[in-house]
Amino acid sequence: DIQLTQSPSFLSASVGDRVTITCRASQGITTYLAWYQQKPGKAPKLLIYAVSTLQSGVPSRFSGSRSGTEFTLTISSLQPEDFATYYCQQLNSYSCTFGPGTKVELK
Amino acid sequence: QVQLVQSGAEVKKPGASVKVSCKASGYIFTGYFMHWVRQAPGQGLEWMGRINPKSGDTNSAQKFQGRVTMTRDTSISTLYMELSGLRSDDTAVYYCARNTYTFATDYWGQGTLVTVSS
Repeated sequence: DIQLTQSPSFLSASVGDRVTITCRASQGITTYLAWYQQKPGKAPKLLIYAVSTLQSGVPSRFSGSRSGTEFTLTISSLQPEDFATYYCQQLNSYSCTFGPGTKVELK
Repeated sequence: QVQLVQSGAEVKKPGASVKVSCKASGYIFTGYFMHWVRQAPGQGLEWMGRINPKSGDTNSAQKFQGRVTMTRDTSISTLYMELSGLRSDDTAVYYCARNTYTFATDYWGQGTLVTVSS
């Protein structure tokens, strides 16, 4: 099975900061990597799918990119409502895997 | 609008089974694969398996094979996930989620807390 790792696990940042979260796959995957935001007590919310496509309604400060087996979620200017945990996910015809998550906290 | 409404919280004893439901509305039920994902307290997201609501075909994570049964009732647009042989480490919030055509999950149920305790 494909394993996903995320770094960092925790991130302290201030409002207005540029934040980057990395997700690495244990083996080559196709373009089907997605990013989710989850707040306490809530279901995950889809932010980006197919590596870099912004889900409808998601602010443009969120973006996704890829370099080989490394995927990146960037928040260009962190807003108060962005403090949450972020997960990457790979999904194919046979399996699904989530990364362990990155918690973004207020510095 | 798309809605996934799950059944209420459950408390079960070790060794028992639990069946969680997920009622879909606002879209063509048989048009989208559906997933079950769980999250133990303070932990990350764990994929359990998926079902094709049109055919009923399923595939599950190896960890849950033999313990999880995913079914659907197309007449009422409802999915079911039954987990047997419950253990304390099955205590988690269980979610249903809709698969998109671009291999992501765009709509999620509100979650069902299953507590396993003697």
